[in-house]
Amino acid sequence: DVQMTQSPSTLSASVGDRVTITCRASRSISSWLAWYQQKPGTAPKLLIYKASSLESGVPSRFSGSGSGTEFTLTINSLQPDDFATYYCQQYNSNSRTFGQGTKVEIK
Amino acid sequence: QVHLVESGGGVVQPGGSLRLSCAASGFTFSNYAMHWVRQAPGKGPEWVAFIRYDGGNKFYTDSVKGRFTISRDNSKNTLYLQMNSLRGEDTAVYYCAKDHGETYYSESIFDYWGQGTLVTVSS
Repeated sequence: DVQMTQSPSTLSASVGDRVTITCRASRSISSWLAWYQQKPGTAPKLLIYKASSLESGVPSRFSGSGSGTEFTLTINSLQPDDFATYYCQQYNSNSRTFGQGTKVEIK
Repeated sequence: QVHLVESGGGVVQPGGSLRLSCAASGFTFSNYAMHWVRQAPGKGPEWVAFIRYDGGNKFYTDSVKGRFTISRDNSKNTLYLQMNSLRGEDTAVYYCAKDHGETYYSESIFDYWGQGTLVTVSS
């Protein structure tokens, strides 16, 4: 199985900050990577797919980059609604694995 | 708009069985692959099972192979997960999720999720 490792596990930031989350795959997954946002008690929400494609309706302050084994999710000008947990997910292999999550909390 | 509603969760003893259902609306259900994804308390999501838009192909994560069966009824716009020989480690919120890609272009990207149904395996 492809293992996905996110860093950091927790990130403290303020409204207006630029935030970057990293996701590393245990082997190359080309660009087959998605990012999700999850708030407590709700289902994950798709933000980014194919490493850098923004899902319809997602604000443009969210962006993704990377390929192979290293990927980043960037949030420009963090908004109050963005405090949540973020997960990466690979879909290169049949195992379709998620990272362990990065919680973005208010500093 | 897309709406997915899971049902069938509950408390079950180890070794027991449950059948989850997911009622879909707001899109052409028969054109999309569907998935079950679970999330144990305090953990990240875990993909569980996939079924092709026409039911022709099914895939499972290793830990549920031989115990869980995914199926669908396109005439009823409903997805199912039959869970047998349940274990404590199966305790989780179970979500049904719609695939981002249509028909042959399923991608295992989950663009819509239901609200989830809690399965608790405990004696």
